[in-house]
Amino acid sequence: EAQVTQNPRYLITVTGKKLTVTCSQNMNHEYMSWYRQDPGLGLRQIYYSMNVEVTDKGDVPEGYKVSRKEKRNFPLILESPSPNQTSLYFCASSEGGLEKLFFGSGTQLSVL
Amino acid sequence: GQSLEQPSEVTAVEGAIVQINCTYQTSGFYGLSWYQQHDGGAPTFLSYNALDGLEETGRFSSFLSRSDSYGYLLLQELQMKDSASYFCAVRGGGSYIPTFGRGTSLIVHP
Repeated sequence: EAQVTQNPRYLITVTGKKLTVTCSQNMNHEYMSWYRQDPGLGLRQIYYSMNVEVTDKGDVPEGYKVSRKEKRNFPLILESPSPNQTSLYFCASSEGGLEKLFFGSGTQLSVL
Repeated sequence: GQSLEQPSEVTAVEGAIVQINCTYQTSGFYGLSWYQQHDGGAPTFLSYNALDGLEETGRFSSFLSRSDSYGYLLLQELQMKDSASYFCAVRGGGSYIPTFGRGTSLIVHP
């Protein structure tokens, strides 16, 4: 089954404690991206990757890191999380045209 | 930059037809996409329009007018399970960053 797998589904952490949210896709998509969703603000892109070792900033990259060492994986790293990073996060992948994004099931992150 | 406007909420009754509008401003334009998201769930792709006109997929249709920078999603024969948020999204010329609208909450009443 074609899917984007994110883990964990829920995460509660404290300020400053490094964390990683994993994302994996099995569709051989070149394009992968991370979004955060906050009430009333819709989906905002954090980072994207066009291919292995190629990453670039989205609209809200501050406080986040990503890496793309393999085509299927695109982890999101928060080196020093802060409470304003409390949000619902989605990973997505797409074929080159970006017309159709496939989203993971989401990670609800709370930073205390 | 890119921006999109869509209504925050639409209500309708089961069996009815509802239209969710989306106007956009973007420099360059590839196309307009629509996504559905149920509470607590992942957004799922519904449709995409790159050219003017209507695209139909079952009960859902999507329309685009490039000259008016406007599109809409049409949902027919509404069912309770259609209660969800609906997002339009655009990608501007030369950008790999899709911009999403803030979403329209559709509430379907029995």
